[in-house]
Amino acid sequence: AQKVTQAQTEISVVEKEDVTLDCVYETRDTTYYLFWYKQPPSGELVFLIRRNSFDEQNEISGRYSWNFQKSTSSFNFTITASQVVDSAVYFCALSEADTGNQFYFGTGTSLTVIP
Amino acid sequence: EAQVTQNPRYLITVTGKKLTVTCSQNMNHEYMSWYRQDPGLGLRQIYYSMNVEVTDKGDVPEGYKVSRKEKRNFPLILESPSPNQTSLYFCASSHGAWETQYFGPGTRLLVL
Repeated sequence: AQKVTQAQTEISVVEKEDVTLDCVYETRDTTYYLFWYKQPPSGELVFLIRRNSFDEQNEISGRYSWNFQKSTSSFNFTITASQVVDSAVYFCALSEADTGNQFYFGTGTSLTVIP
Repeated sequence: EAQVTQNPRYLITVTGKKLTVTCSQNMNHEYMSWYRQDPGLGLRQIYYSMNVEVTDKGDVPEGYKVSRKEKRNFPLILESPSPNQTSLYFCASSHGAWETQYFGPGTRLLVL
């Protein structure tokens, strides 16, 4: 079973629209960590955020915000007032602290922002 | 500059010809890992290493070997490459399995 599910394969929005990227995870661990990474067209992987399972506070960083809800096992990512430079593939990832040392990525969501 | 380096960046080879992709980090990280990225499948972990001489399988280890003789280096070895190993490979490092991983630039491999 997929430990991290990103059901949205591709999303297109017009510049300045808000967009939310969904991430649903599956774990039985009490302690775990969730991540978002960005992969722009140039191909490198850029770290965006890390959140532990004990911290459900939402986080905002400029136009980016993250909504962590343990009740629904979701860690969604919202870009406000999207820009062309936000066009990229975004990956959600999970690391389980109790049961292992592996790192699990979702299949990614390709976001295209149309000018 | 803190970084993870991979070599080569691009490689075309033929079935069965052994190859090694090197990975090196200068951040004194304990944890290192290899991933492959394929369309529609995201990144999948091949092998990881918690420290020198400690390695373990990820989700897709078949056809690959690794070694961790020094803290900074974590080479990926394909002893007999096959076309289904054509992929984009990333090396990553971090202070621990649950810490933020820093990725190399990727190695694009084509096996004919």
